[in-house]
Amino acid sequence: NAGVTQTPKFQVLKTGQSMTLQCAQDMNHNSMYWYRQDPGMGLRLIYYSASEGTTDKGEVPNGYNVSRLNKREFSLRLESAAPSQTSVYFCASLITSGANVLTFGAGSRLTVL
Amino acid sequence: RKEVEQDPGPFNVPEGATVAFNCTYSNSASQSFFWYRQDCRKEPKLLMSVYSSGNEDGRFTAQLNRASQYISLLIRDSKLSDSATYLCVVPRGINTGKLIFGQGTTLQVKP
Repeated sequence: NAGVTQTPKFQVLKTGQSMTLQCAQDMNHNSMYWYRQDPGMGLRLIYYSASEGTTDKGEVPNGYNVSRLNKREFSLRLESAAPSQTSVYFCASLITSGANVLTFGAGSRLTVL
Repeated sequence: RKEVEQDPGPFNVPEGATVAFNCTYSNSASQSFFWYRQDCRKEPKLLMSVYSSGNEDGRFTAQLNRASQYISLLIRDSKLSDSATYLCVVPRGINTGKLIFGQGTTLQVKP
């Protein structure tokens, strides 16, 4: 049981470069999320997808785009990375928006120079 | 006022101590609440859910005070292995799927 799988685990980018963080879950969950975590800030919601085909902004969506490719996969794209996007990114999923128990991936540590 | 607010700590306690954390929330319509535990450099994992006045699981007790809009987490007989960051989570709205995290409270249990 893989649960929620994120790639890559680590990435270093230069300012202005683009990249995509990949997330896949094998639990047949409907809802998927992207959070970022910074020291002293807790987890902040970037985007989420309540179901396949829908996406919605969270607390800090600026500078990011997402794609809910199918039920399993939810990707996060940085079109032009900035040092302020240096963070640890977590993908998560849950069965349905009424369930409220998140399963997280192991995290992706991104550094933008 | 932040949607979800926690005292970041750190709370430094000796083994065997009882420690309590509070979490305040701003949305009076929130119905369910959660405590997650996060170990250093790991992903958060669900510790407890709170749907009514409270919930107890072994040494851990979560309580809800709707009038004052806060939830608390009480840990009795602290163990070294309880050292972690404890995150309070509150849904924004009902069945929206938007789960908002507090900044976390760090607990360090010392021998």
